[in-house]
Amino acid sequence: EIQLQESGPGLVKPSQSLSLTCSVTGYTITSGYDWSWIRKFPGNKMEWMGYISYSGSTNYNPSLKSRISITRDTSKNQFFLQLNSVTTEDTATYYCARSRLFDYWGQGVMVTVSS
Amino acid sequence: DIQMTQSPPSLSASLGDKVTITCQASQNINKYIAWYQQKPGKAPRLLIRYTSTLESGTPSRFSGSGSGRDYSFSISNVESEDIASYYCLQYVNLPYTFGAGTKLELK
Repeated sequence: EIQLQESGPGLVKPSQSLSLTCSVTGYTITSGYDWSWIRKFPGNKMEWMGYISYSGSTNYNPSLKSRISITRDTSKNQFFLQLNSVTTEDTATYYCARSRLFDYWGQGVMVTVSS
Repeated sequence: DIQMTQSPPSLSASLGDKVTITCQASQNINKYIAWYQQKPGKAPRLLIRYTSTLESGTPSRFSGSGSGRDYSFSISNVESEDIASYYCLQYVNLPYTFGAGTKLELK
């Protein structure tokens, strides 16, 4: 069974970096598919943030400009989100998901940006 | 970016009703639309891909249709377990974009 699990701090201060980990079991992230980060804001809007492909290439939502980076550790079957210079507008529930169809999701981690 | 205009924002239905949600894309998305169900505190669940293809485990009372810019998602014979929020997603072009969501409630 394929499972994804997000982890990381639930509180981040403004101007700092948000760092999250997605741990994948039941499927090797280098075997196929894109591996995405998606967030859901308090008003229920959902935003695709970016992905890292099975080959290691990345693609990001232009709305996040140069603030975002998605990397991976293939030895641990994990991929990571780093979002720099966060503001209160980045307060959201963050999800990792598989493929461009988002057929498997993690349970989500709520991140609050506040001083 | 492709904008997905989803309506209505909320729906009130009785058990056994048929309900329909629509999504209009800002340009032709060639049927590359998916529909998700999300219950409070849970991750979204993929129900339908490519306009009308039901995922394994999706009950047959769910359906999707459409083409070009206009798409719809329906639930016939609403059951209590269908009470949730529903989102459309276009995945034809990056960045992938979601509709604003529809909250289905019991009347």
